[in-house]
Amino acid sequence: RKEVEQDPGPFNVPEGATVAFNCTYSNSASQSFFWYRQDCRKEPKLLMSVYSSGNEDGRFTAQLNRASQYISLLIRDSKLSDSATYLCVVNGMLASGGSYIPTFGRGTSLIVHP
Amino acid sequence: GAGVSQSPSNKVTEKGKDVELRCDPISGHTALYWYRQSLGQGLEFLIYFQGNSAPDKSGLPSDRFSAERTGGSVSTLTIQRTQQEDSAVYLCASTPRAGGTEAFFGQGTRLTVV
Repeated sequence: RKEVEQDPGPFNVPEGATVAFNCTYSNSASQSFFWYRQDCRKEPKLLMSVYSSGNEDGRFTAQLNRASQYISLLIRDSKLSDSATYLCVVNGMLASGGSYIPTFGRGTSLIVHP
Repeated sequence: GAGVSQSPSNKVTEKGKDVELRCDPISGHTALYWYRQSLGQGLEFLIYFQGNSAPDKSGLPSDRFSAERTGGSVSTLTIQRTQQEDSAVYLCASTPRAGGTEAFFGQGTRLTVV
């Protein structure tokens, strides 16, 4: 089982739509959680951290359910510029190395069309 | 510079040759990570350096891969006797401290083994 699992998509939505991405993680000892955005042939960049109480940044809302080991990202009023791959990231201790490493999901591809 | 710098940005090498990839993290960041991203895949953890501690090498795929971090700053990832399956984008990231914070990525080195 992968440590961080995401539906790869692609999610193909019209401008203005609301779209939600989900992510599950396997390590219950994980401590911190993030969503990153990666544009084609570019490096990943932080979109937002995810807090237990849920948090919002403009059109983006992130939720964390520790009991279910589940993270979500909601994008409202989608823009063409939102087209990218969204990576779920969990800082979890690796069993072999014993360090807290940012562990990345495979990413969910979003395509927003006119 | 202000960000994570990687060089070269592109590298084409013949199968069986050795390659060295360089990462210059953000000044003052104590944690440094190497990841590998194959086409259409997620980020695969390779190795982690934290301050002067022994690196966590648990992600290195074979003994052909090694990395050093000199003086707690610049890191070099070396791949010996390259194989075609080593072709990927190698990404370096740094964080101000261990765990729980945003990881800042370099633009990556695109390695092609022919």
